[in-house]
Amino acid sequence: QVQLVQSGAEVKKPGASVKVSCKTYGYTFTNYDVTWVRQAPGQGLEWMGWISVYSGNTQYAQKLQGRVTMTTDTSTNTAYMELRSLTFDDTAVYYCARAHSYGSGFQAYWGQGTLVSVSS
Amino acid sequence: DIQMTQSPSTLSASVGDRVTITCRASQSISVWLAWYQQKPGQAPKLLIYKASSLEGGVPSRFSGSGSGTEFTLTISSLQPDDFATYYCQQYNPYSPYTFGQGTKLDLK
Repeated sequence: QVQLVQSGAEVKKPGASVKVSCKTYGYTFTNYDVTWVRQAPGQGLEWMGWISVYSGNTQYAQKLQGRVTMTTDTSTNTAYMELRSLTFDDTAVYYCARAHSYGSGFQAYWGQGTLVSVSS
Repeated sequence: DIQMTQSPSTLSASVGDRVTITCRASQSISVWLAWYQQKPGQAPKLLIYKASSLEGGVPSRFSGSGSGTEFTLTISSLQPDDFATYYCQQYNPYSPYTFGQGTKLDLK
């Protein structure tokens, strides 16, 4: 069955970078886009961006442009999200999610989430 | 970016009630709207896509409607498992996607 398994929790200092991985199982990795969503403690969902695994094309939320990079490794069926120049406001649970179907913009399968804490 | 506004932010209801959550877009998104349910400590779960299409395995008491800028999620008869937070998400092609701020549905 389809599974997305994310890397473990991270603690980072302000100004540092974090790279979260999302290893996928149970489907053809290149056929579905991967989206990243984050959720600050007690807050709502924030769409960060998506990557076409097939083409490598990306679209990022405007507020994260220049700080975020989404990539994939098709040899290991793994997606990555790197966020740089971290601030306290970046403390959140980060989710990867797979598109429902080819080219769809909504997500049917989600990872378990990765807590990134930014603390001095 | 397209802004999504949900109302109400909190909704108190009882088992068996019919409830409706509204989501408004700052510009037309046709039918490119999805609804998710999220419970504490869990990832979101897809309920509805393309404004009114029910995801497989989702109970038929959930329904969605709307197009353009105004959308609704209706639960026809609340069950104990339905108390959660609900989010709309627009996925209009060629623009960044965005979520509504969420509606927390709790027990009256």
